[in-house]
Amino acid sequence: DVKVTQSSRYLVKRTGEKVFLECVQDMDHENMFWYRQDPGLGLRLIYFSYDVKMKEKGDIPEGYSVSREKKERFSLILESASTNQTSMYLCASSPGPGELFFGEGSRLTVL
Amino acid sequence: EDKVVQSPLSLVVHEGDTVTLNCSYEVTNFRSLLWYKQEKKAPTFLFMLTSSGIEKKSGRLSSILDKKELFSILNITATQTGDSAIYLCAVGGAGYALNFGKGTSLLVTP
Repeated sequence: DVKVTQSSRYLVKRTGEKVFLECVQDMDHENMFWYRQDPGLGLRLIYFSYDVKMKEKGDIPEGYSVSREKKERFSLILESASTNQTSMYLCASSPGPGELFFGEGSRLTVL
Repeated sequence: EDKVVQSPLSLVVHEGDTVTLNCSYEVTNFRSLLWYKQEKKAPTFLFMLTSSGIEKKSGRLSSILDKKELFSILNITATQTGDSAIYLCAVGGAGYALNFGKGTSLLVTP
């Protein structure tokens, strides 16, 4: 079975802190994604990566950056967390177009 | 701009009822439409549809795609409390990412 692991299930951070969300997949998938999920807004794409060191902005990249130094690992970085970044963050991977395999999610609260 | 619209946004039914969830879309270079079920945590894959008129079925769940009218439905028959979840519709277009609708929140009461 495909396994996508997000290192932190719950985080509480303060405004202005730098936040790292880590995601690792074990199926050698080319593509990895970060979405955020908010009530009433659904899942929105922040960034995705189709290869090591390659990244593309999604629909809401402002305030975020990403890093993909190794194929299996895709990190989401909040350089200076703000309260409006309180959300559920979902990482996903895929071998190509089609089905995404999701991690369990990281619920971030910024105070 | 690509768009995926799900309806209704929320629904409450009694156990044993049949429900139909709707998903309409406008996507450039349509590749596929996917349905996911999300309980407390990660969305889990239900179906992927690429061709019109071919029903996909898994137990009490079934789904069909109409590429001419640009919509899909997800049917759940004989609902159970374990079907309570958010159901997400997503569409794949020109890129690798999926474009998601806002989801339908289904509550099945005993």
